[in-house]
Amino acid sequence: DIQMTQSPSSLSASIGDRVTITCRAGQRISTYLNWYQQKPGKAPKLLIYYASNLHNGVPSRFSGSGSGTDFTLTISSLQPEDFAIYYCQQSYSTPPTFGPGTKVDIK
Amino acid sequence: QVQLQESGPGLVKPSETLSLNCTVSGGSISGYYWTWFRQPPGKGLEWIGYVYYTGNTNYNPSLKSRVTIYIDTSKNQFSLKLNSVTAADTAVYYCARDSPDYGDYVIGYWGQGTLVTVSS
Repeated sequence: DIQMTQSPSSLSASIGDRVTITCRAGQRISTYLNWYQQKPGKAPKLLIYYASNLHNGVPSRFSGSGSGTDFTLTISSLQPEDFAIYYCQQSYSTPPTFGPGTKVDIK
Repeated sequence: QVQLQESGPGLVKPSETLSLNCTVSGGSISGYYWTWFRQPPGKGLEWIGYVYYTGNTNYNPSLKSRVTIYIDTSKNQFSLKLNSVTAADTAVYYCARDSPDYGDYVIGYWGQGTLVTVSS
């Protein structure tokens, strides 16, 4: 299985802040990297696929980058509805695996 | 808009079989991979496996010996069976569907999730 790690595990930020979350894969996965947002008691929601492609309906303040083993999710200006846990997921090989998550909460 | 809804017992005894159904509405069950995930309380997400609309399956090797996923296209439903459960199988179970335009294992549609507790 491909191990996924994320940093930081949690962060506190203010409305309007620029936030960056890092994901690292245990082996090269090209750009087969996806990002999901999960709020308490809810299912995950797809934000970004293939490392940098915005899913339909996702605000443009979300962006993704990276290839190989290192990836980032950036929120350009944090909004109240963005406080959540963010997971990266590799879709390069079976089984697909997720990072442990990054919790973004209010400073 | 495709919607998925899990159903099944919320409590299962140790060593018994966990059984869940997922009913699909608002779209065809054909042409897609139908997937189960789980998430233990306070922890991360784990892929359990999928069933293709043709009935072909693929399972997480870590669960393969205990898992069966099958599909009933006439009912627009797919199902999960996990046998010989222990407390470690306590989790929120999600059914989900891929977004084929985005590639394998990219999940665009999720059910709301159902908590299954394994306890005597």
